Amino acid sequence: QKEVEQDPGPLSVPEGAIVSLNCTYSNSAFQYFMWYRQYSRKGPELLMYTYSSGNKEDGRFTAQVDKSSKYISLFIRDSQPSDSATYLCAMSALYGGSQGNLIFGKGTKLSVKP
Amino acid sequence: DAGITQSPRHKVTETGTPVTLRCHQTENHRYMYWYRQDPGHGLRLIHYSYGVKDTDKGEVSDGYSVSRSKTEDFLLTLESATSSQTSVYFCAISDSSYEQYFGPGTRLTVT
Repeated sequence: QKEVEQDPGPLSVPEGAIVSLNCTYSNSAFQYFMWYRQYSRKGPELLMYTYSSGNKEDGRFTAQVDKSSKYISLFIRDSQPSDSATYLCAMSALYGGSQGNLIFGKGTKLSVKP
Repeated sequence: DAGITQSPRHKVTETGTPVTLRCHQTENHRYMYWYRQDPGHGLRLIHYSYGVKDTDKGEVSDGYSVSRSKTEDFLLTLESATSSQTSVYFCAISDSSYEQYFGPGTRLTVT
């Protein structure tokens, strides 16, 4: 079993839809959870990060962590064509050091149709 | 791209030749990373550095070496390039190791 599992999609939604992106993980030591957005032929850019369990909101984006289920989610409200990208989840166990290195999911490709 | 540049941006090379990719940062961040990204595998860590002259191996380090003689530069060398090393290579920097910022990538083709 891979440490981090993420459905690769592709996921296609109409403009204005609510998008739900998810990752599951197996390592209960993970404490830091990140979401990256990657446009085609570009480097990943950090969207949001959360520490431990709970929710975090930033504009149209909400990140949710459920450590009891080892499940994280990213919700995008009022999705726009400019949200079309691949979304990568990432997580790490500790702050700094080799165990602080990120483990990435394979990414979910999202397409928002006008 | 958070003050990170990678060079070259594209390279085609032949099997068996050595190749060096350069990552340069202007942020004075302590940690630097090299990843490769391949379809079906996602981002995988090759090597990382936690300070000048301090480096360590990642998940897929075989066939690669790194050096960091200055805070701002992190070099990745393919000692003898193979076709399996055709990939997109990303450099990342961080002050915290979990909040990483990525460069624009180098697309490497080994023929």
